[in-house]
Amino acid sequence: AQKITQTQPGMFVQEKEAVTLDCTYDTSDPSYGLFWYKQPSSGEMIFLIYQGSYDQQNATEGRYSLNFQKARKSANLVISASQLGDSAMYFCAMRGHTGNQFYFGTGTSLTVIP
Amino acid sequence: GAGVSQSPRYKVAKRGQDVALRCDPISGHVSLFWYQQALGQGPEFLTYFQNEAQLDKSGLPSDRFFAERPEGSVSTLKIQRTQQEDSAVYLCASSLARQENTEAFFGQGTRLTVV
Repeated sequence: AQKITQTQPGMFVQEKEAVTLDCTYDTSDPSYGLFWYKQPSSGEMIFLIYQGSYDQQNATEGRYSLNFQKARKSANLVISASQLGDSAMYFCAMRGHTGNQFYFGTGTSLTVIP
Repeated sequence: GAGVSQSPRYKVAKRGQDVALRCDPISGHVSLFWYQQALGQGPEFLTYFQNEAQLDKSGLPSDRFFAERPEGSVSTLKIQRTQQEDSAVYLCASSLARQENTEAFFGQGTRLTVV
């Protein structure tokens, strides 16, 4: 069975500081993709960053980086230099080997404090 | 269009009414997904299409839910005899390919309220 776990329902961070959002996953698939999405109050899911299970290096996209630890089955999102516009829900997701669906966690609500 | 488009953005239905939600994916995207998102929850998978073929409908909660993508582009999610528990945001997403390394792009969703 595929499962994504996000244990932080809510997080606060000071503007310009870095923050780490936790994500652990469970799968028996030989290969898989890990994704992070941002969902502002407007409701649209915005793709942020992708990490492949066979990638040796951690993914980075601008201020976003993914701390991938395969042995621990974790894929934490690091946001550097937080901005007020980063306040949103963040979802970790996994796409399994069949590609038929994305499995989502319950999300973390991030609030950036000025 | 540039992104995934869903309509209507908001729908209010009386209990027992049938509703149809439309999704216009990114042109050329093979994969299309429907998700249901309850307030404060993560998206829950409903169904998956590869082109016009519905390859996975394991997430459809009952036989009142039906989805189609007849020409491999636009998709419609139909809910018959709506119930209050159907109230949620319905998200559509499309992906260029079926592989696990391909991200999905989401529409803004349709917020369904059953009264």
